[in-house]
Amino acid sequence: DTEVTQTPKHLVMGMTNKKSLKCEQHMGHRAMYWYKQKAKKPPELMFVYSYEKLSINESVPSRFSPECPNSSLLNLHLHALQPEDSALYLCASSQEGGLAGSTDTQYFGPGTRLTVL
Amino acid sequence: AQTVTQSQPEMSVQEAETVTLSCTYDTSESDYYLFWYKQPPSRQMILVIRQEAYKQQNATENRFSVNFQKAAKSFSLKISDSQLGDAAMYFCAHNAGNMLTFGGGTRLMVKP
Repeated sequence: DTEVTQTPKHLVMGMTNKKSLKCEQHMGHRAMYWYKQKAKKPPELMFVYSYEKLSINESVPSRFSPECPNSSLLNLHLHALQPEDSALYLCASSQEGGLAGSTDTQYFGPGTRLTVL
Repeated sequence: AQTVTQSQPEMSVQEAETVTLSCTYDTSESDYYLFWYKQPPSRQMILVIRQEAYKQQNATENRFSVNFQKAAKSFSLKISDSQLGDAAMYFCAHNAGNMLTFGGGTRLMVKP
């Protein structure tokens, strides 16, 4: 089973709202990722969690706050977003983290389509 | 830094025919994987095929196969017997550490 689930599928929020995106995997993977994808562009890495610790933050604005409550769950808390943050947010997971990631395969969830008004 | 280049923004193929999508990459790593992901309009990124850099044999998955030329840093995807369901964006990707670097994507259209 290579399933990564994400909720919600769609989210519309105002610039003053606080919302959260959720990602879950039950494959025993130890690395989890958040990507942002704009239309007709490849995904851009935002955060990487390896063994439940934040290992990579690609200079993401603080209005995006990741959280990894346990090895199966990954959240992305959103606050005071801008319209330009509207995008598809993809979660992924892989078996290993850290240096072993070079030979790792990332499996993606279906994404959350976020619209910021 | 790793870079991945897909030189074909769009490709078109007749149903049941064969099409090849191109990808070149640059890396300083000696051990890595290469991937092709498919993203249909439903938007989920689906793993199509992967190639381990240390393996000389080209990977195959049913109608999908790759032509991996390590010295030339080339990694093309061949789709045989194209089906309407193959229509999607295809992304080539390279893995270094936890960093997955994507190419710009190729939109494949399948004509009935």
